Amino acid sequence: SQQGEEDPQALSIQEGENATMNCSYKTSINNLQWYRQNSGRGLVHLILIRSNEREKHSGRLRVTLDTSKKSSSLLITASRAADTASYFCATTYGQNFVFGPGTRLSVLP
Amino acid sequence: NAGVTQTPKFQVLKTGQSMTLQCAQDMNHNSMYWYRQDPGMGLRLIYYSASEGTTDKGEVPNGYNVSRLNKREFSLRLESAAPSQTSVYFCASTMGGTVGTQYFGPGTRLLVL
Repeated sequence: SQQGEEDPQALSIQEGENATMNCSYKTSINNLQWYRQNSGRGLVHLILIRSNEREKHSGRLRVTLDTSKKSSSLLITASRAADTASYFCATTYGQNFVFGPGTRLSVLP
Repeated sequence: NAGVTQTPKFQVLKTGQSMTLQCAQDMNHNSMYWYRQDPGMGLRLIYYSASEGTTDKGEVPNGYNVSRLNKREFSLRLESAAPSQTSVYFCASTMGGTVGTQYFGPGTRLLVL
């Protein structure tokens, strides 16, 4: 079973709207990371939040972490067509990272 | 500074053929990873190398072998390819284990007929 799982599986919004996607995990973690993958490309790191942090910002990105609920959320504000991609959360499990199946975000112009 | 590079970008194999996927990083990272990604799914770890000279199995190691040739290079070998190994393969590296972020290569698309 997967350590991390994103929700929703797919999300379609209009340009300018905010996009929120969630990640749930099962065991304790050192940190949680969010990645973006454009179609046919490798993953690109967006943001890392440590287990002792509750919220982190980077540009239009806001990540929260609730270790009591074993969940995280990624908020993209004022979305753009260029934000269209798949977004994955990665949690740590032993010496490794475990990725969820991702959320496919479509931002319509 | 090229980051993580992978070769080849695309490969077609027949069932039973063998091939090696190459990965190199120029960031002086200690840890390297091989993942596969199937359509509509996340990444699944095949093998990893926490540091030079060590390799360990991940979630889906069957049918694969790896070699950590030196600190820079980590190769993945398919000894006898099967259609179930049709996938996109990504190599990644981190400075040290799970403390930092992963840097990914562009991927190798493999089709096994």
